[in-house]
Amino acid sequence: QVQLQESGPGLVKPSETLSLTCTVSGYSISSGYYWGWIRQPPGKGLEWIGSIYHSGSTYYNPSLKSRVTISVDTSKNQFSLKLSSVTAADTAVYYCARDQVLHYFDYWGQGTLVTVSS
Amino acid sequence: QSVLTQPPSVSGAPGQRVTISCTGSSSNIGAGYDVHWYQQLPGTAPKLLIYGNSNRPSGVPDRFSGSKSGTSASLAITGLQAEDEADYYCQSYDSSLSGSRVFGTGTKVTVL
Repeated sequence: QVQLQESGPGLVKPSETLSLTCTVSGYSISSGYYWGWIRQPPGKGLEWIGSIYHSGSTYYNPSLKSRVTISVDTSKNQFSLKLSSVTAADTAVYYCARDQVLHYFDYWGQGTLVTVSS
Repeated sequence: QSVLTQPPSVSGAPGQRVTISCTGSSSNIGAGYDVHWYQQLPGTAPKLLIYGNSNRPSGVPDRFSGSKSGTSASLAITGLQAEDEADYYCQSYDSSLSGSRVFGTGTKVTVL
């Protein structure tokens, strides 16, 4: 059974960089698929942030592209998200998920709330 | 902002049939890209409900069905149950947005 778990600070100061890691178990990232990050502001809908292939190629949401970096560490079976220059608008629950060939997300982490506040 | 539009809410009595629409454009649904649906129960992560327009993952009841036509797609829930009360999101791919996966605005289903 594929499982994903997000980890990282729950509180980030404005203008700083948000950093999260997703640890995958039950499947080797190097075997294939894209791996993605999605976020959900409190009380709002889902927003795709970006996805990375096991080889390292990436696709980012154009509205966030200038601030987002997604990387993969196949040796640790993890992939990570960095979002720079955060503001209160970046406060959200951040999910990691497996991004299937047809561009849908079949396995999700439980999500982690990141609050941007001084 | 979402490029796929859904009604904010739909409701129905137990046992009834409800449908949720997902309207896109010529760069996503209308371009032939598949539509997928997720169910999000309160306080939990989204769960894949329908993939590839009409396919159900293992374990999803056949009360849930999906369809697609033109620039729109629909999710139908037949025999509505109390446990179906949740938020539902459609999702597709948009060729005009550099490989973007795009989500719908979301629909709250209320069981009366």
